[in-house]
Amino acid sequence: DTEVTQTPKHLVMGMTNKKSLKCEQHMGHRAMYWYKQKAKKPPELMFVYSYEKLSINESVPSRFSPECPNSSLLNLHLHALQPEDSALYLCASSQSPLAGGPDTQYFGPGTRLTVL
Amino acid sequence: QKEVEQDPGPLSVPEGAIVSLNCTYSNSAFQYFMWYRQYSRKGPELLMYTYSSGNKEDGRFTAQVDKSSKYISLFIRDSQPSDSATYLCAMTQNYGQNFVFGPGTRLSVLP
Repeated sequence: DTEVTQTPKHLVMGMTNKKSLKCEQHMGHRAMYWYKQKAKKPPELMFVYSYEKLSINESVPSRFSPECPNSSLLNLHLHALQPEDSALYLCASSQSPLAGGPDTQYFGPGTRLTVL
Repeated sequence: QKEVEQDPGPLSVPEGAIVSLNCTYSNSAFQYFMWYRQYSRKGPELLMYTYSSGNKEDGRFTAQVDKSSKYISLFIRDSQPSDSATYLCAMTQNYGQNFVFGPGTRLSVLP
C-alpha cells in the first residue's frame, strides 16, 4: 500500500474562517511533508515532520499551523488566510532518514483550497 | 542559476512517439533522482527513482542519470494519450537532505 490520503478534496473558506486539512498514511513512514502548489508551478515545501517532530519550517506565515498527532497523521490548521493562499496543498510521506536509502516521497491527491 | 532546470514545454507528440524529458542540475551532491507524473488537479505520482549514474527501465519508461554531466532523462516509449501530464524531476542528497523539484514539463500525446 503506497497510498497517502488527504481530506477534504476541495475547501472554500473566507478570510476569517478556521479550517484544517488532514493527511494520513499507513506505510510506516516516519517523515511527513506539507507542500503548496500553485498552477503550472512545482510543489513548494512548507513543513517537514520527522518522527512526529517539526524539523523544517520554510518560513511559512503563522496563519498556517502544522500538527503531527502521531506517526500516521498530519494536519494543517488554517486561520485568517489571504486570497493569495489559494492553491493545491499536498501532503507527502517518506521513510525516515535514519532508515537509509532514498528520500522518495509519496504524495497524496491534494486539497484544492480557495480563499475568498 | 536555478538548482534544477527543466524545459517547461509544452511538448506535443503523436501517439506512439518516443518522448525524451530532461533535467539539468547544478548541485553535484545530489545522489537520488526521481521522476514524478502529475495529472491536472492531482498530486504527483512517483514513476521511477534511480541512485547515482546509470539506467533503469520499467515497462515503457527508462530513466537515465549522467552525474558527470549533471543531466538526467526520462524516456517514454510508445507514448499514449494517457501519458499526457506534467512530468517533474526531483532529486535529493543522502538521507533526506535538500529534496528539490524541477519546474516540470507539460507533455501532450495526441491521438
